[in-house]
Amino acid sequence: KNQVEQSPQSLIILEGKNCTLQCNYTVSPFSNLRWYKQDTGRGPVSLTIMTFSENTKSNGRYTATLDADTKQSSLHITASQLSDSASYICVVKYSGAGSYQLTFGKGTKLSVIP
Amino acid sequence: ETGVTQTPRHLVMGMTNKKSLKCEQHLGHNAMYWYKQSAKKPLELMFVYSLEERVENNSVPSRFSPECPNSSHLFLHLHTLQPEDSALYLCASSQDWENSYEQYFGPGTRLTVT
Repeated sequence: KNQVEQSPQSLIILEGKNCTLQCNYTVSPFSNLRWYKQDTGRGPVSLTIMTFSENTKSNGRYTATLDADTKQSSLHITASQLSDSASYICVVKYSGAGSYQLTFGKGTKLSVIP
Repeated sequence: ETGVTQTPRHLVMGMTNKKSLKCEQHLGHNAMYWYKQSAKKPLELMFVYSLEERVENNSVPSRFSPECPNSSHLFLHLHTLQPEDSALYLCASSQDWENSYEQYFGPGTRLTVT
């Protein structure tokens, strides 16, 4: 069964500190992995998308990594800001034949405090 | 941010009511989606429409009825809902549904069934 597990479930960090969020998946065959940021009361917004051949991709202070062999991804946030407080959702796309399928993680809720 | 709009933003309804959720996208996309987001659970894909035709239906109860009159509008008609249907309902759109195009989400409708 295709699954996406994210850890930690929630995280509190001080403003200015770095943090890393984890995403492990069992989706196979794999097409791509996307990280979304969801602010409270809003819809998710895409941060990065990674395909099988990509190991690292950055978007400002956000850096995503992918290890397709171990089926793991991480999202590193550098010099956190209060506006980084949100839920971060990992989404993996299945590339097998048949119906279109995305598997969503439950998300990590990040709180950045002053 | 304003590419996908949803109305109403909040809705409280009784189990015997009939209501509709509306989604509109101004991005010229060909695919539109309905998702259900419950607390502490991953996003659940409900319906996918591509060029106004339904292409995915993930075993959603018949009390949820989608309608896509054109490529810019998507409705979710609700009737005889249950309290467990209370959730955030998100609409999204993408260039098409088969490739890895980014999905753009609306802000969601917070539904409470009493």
